[in-house]
Amino acid sequence: DAGITQSPRHKVTETGTPVTLRCHQTENHRYMYWYRQDPGHGLRLIHYSYGVKDTDKGEVSDGYSVSRSKTEDFLLTLESATSSQTSVYFCAISESLSNEQFFGPGTRLTVL
Amino acid sequence: GQNIDQPTEMTATEGAIVQINCTYQTSGFNGLFWYQQHAGEAPTFLSYNVLDGLEEKGRFSSFLSRSKGYSYLLLKELQMKDSASYLCALMTTDSWGKFQFGAGTQVVVTP
Repeated sequence: DAGITQSPRHKVTETGTPVTLRCHQTENHRYMYWYRQDPGHGLRLIHYSYGVKDTDKGEVSDGYSVSRSKTEDFLLTLESATSSQTSVYFCAISESLSNEQFFGPGTRLTVL
Repeated sequence: GQNIDQPTEMTATEGAIVQINCTYQTSGFNGLFWYQQHAGEAPTFLSYNVLDGLEEKGRFSSFLSRSKGYSYLLLKELQMKDSASYLCALMTTDSWGKFQFGAGTQVVVTP
């Protein structure tokens, strides 16, 4: 299995609070992705990174920001959490743009 | 944009065969991926098609027809552990390296 961890694995927070999710990889893969998964919508891309300090928006980026200061870490921040951001968040990594993506175990976030 | 359609749910008996279809619309096809996801777990990669035809991996096979915008995942000799959601993911030339996922097909295997 690809070495990908996510932390925390579960989090409950209140509306309006900031939240940061961490994705850590030991594979030295260049490309990293953040998705959210909701019933009926499948996996939707939030942000992605194609290298240190190189990031770009996905299809559902509003309300989220990311940072990648090291190859191994990709952080997802909700500046002010809303109930609509209650979801399961998956990080993924890829060795190249044409390769398959490997997914982390996920973080279940509940915003009350 | 790309539309990706998969059936919502399929039920099959242990030992049988099930075919999960995925249709898509795009002007710049660049690859079609299949993932398996058990409840409460992460998606895991199953197969990849970029050229027309059948790719076989043990009990699982995936087929692609680019001209028809169509792929299927074939699961043979079904086992109870194959009960899971199966996700079709499209990569296009205008979204290089980014996947567009279908909503997934929930396969239920019954004894």
